[in-house]
Amino acid sequence: DGGITQSPKYLFRKEGQNVTLSCEQNLNHDAMYWYRQDPGQGLRLIYYSQIVNDFQKGDIAEGYSVSREKKESFPLTVTSAQKNPTAFYLCASRGQTEAFFGQGTRLTVV
Amino acid sequence: GNSVTQMEGPVTLSEEAFLTINCTYTATGYPSLFWYVQYPGEGLQLLLKATKADDKGSNKGFEATYRKETTSFHLEKGSVQVSDSAVYFCALSRSNAGNMLTFGGGTRLMVKP
Repeated sequence: DGGITQSPKYLFRKEGQNVTLSCEQNLNHDAMYWYRQDPGQGLRLIYYSQIVNDFQKGDIAEGYSVSREKKESFPLTVTSAQKNPTAFYLCASRGQTEAFFGQGTRLTVV
Repeated sequence: GNSVTQMEGPVTLSEEAFLTINCTYTATGYPSLFWYVQYPGEGLQLLLKATKADDKGSNKGFEATYRKETTSFHLEKGSVQVSDSAVYFCALSRSNAGNMLTFGGGTRLMVKP
């Protein structure tokens, strides 16, 4: 089945550690996005990529990094510089008309 | 810049009640408009969309009409069910802005039996 897959579903990080969230899509979409969602709030754009080997900062890119080496994959690294990383992270890809979202990764700092 | 404003929740209704969730937007040009739904612990699913003025998007009994004169895209359903309980997000995208989605803050709907 075509879709977008995020892993893991739950992730725990110790303070000072970097962690990488996986996002894979088999929809042949050029554009991919990472959003952050905090409890009771909307989605804020972290990074986006419109083509392989290119990506742009969104509204809240500080403390995050991404790569886009393959069309299918857009991993997000939450670095130790991100002071408040506990949140729900959503990856999306976009075709001609609509965006499809993964099931999300809930990251908790312990 | 682009922005989307939704009515704050939670919205609490009894089963079979009429639902309206207001959404207004600010954008130059002609954005496409969307409603997404998020069930607990899950990602977002597209509920409906409209790509030009006066278009009506509809799905699963939900409807929304693209009103350019009032820059609105209000979500409506004639008779809600308990299974409609979720968070609803209004969003817009513009083709000359990388098709990025700009979201409203979300509105939580709770439907009681």
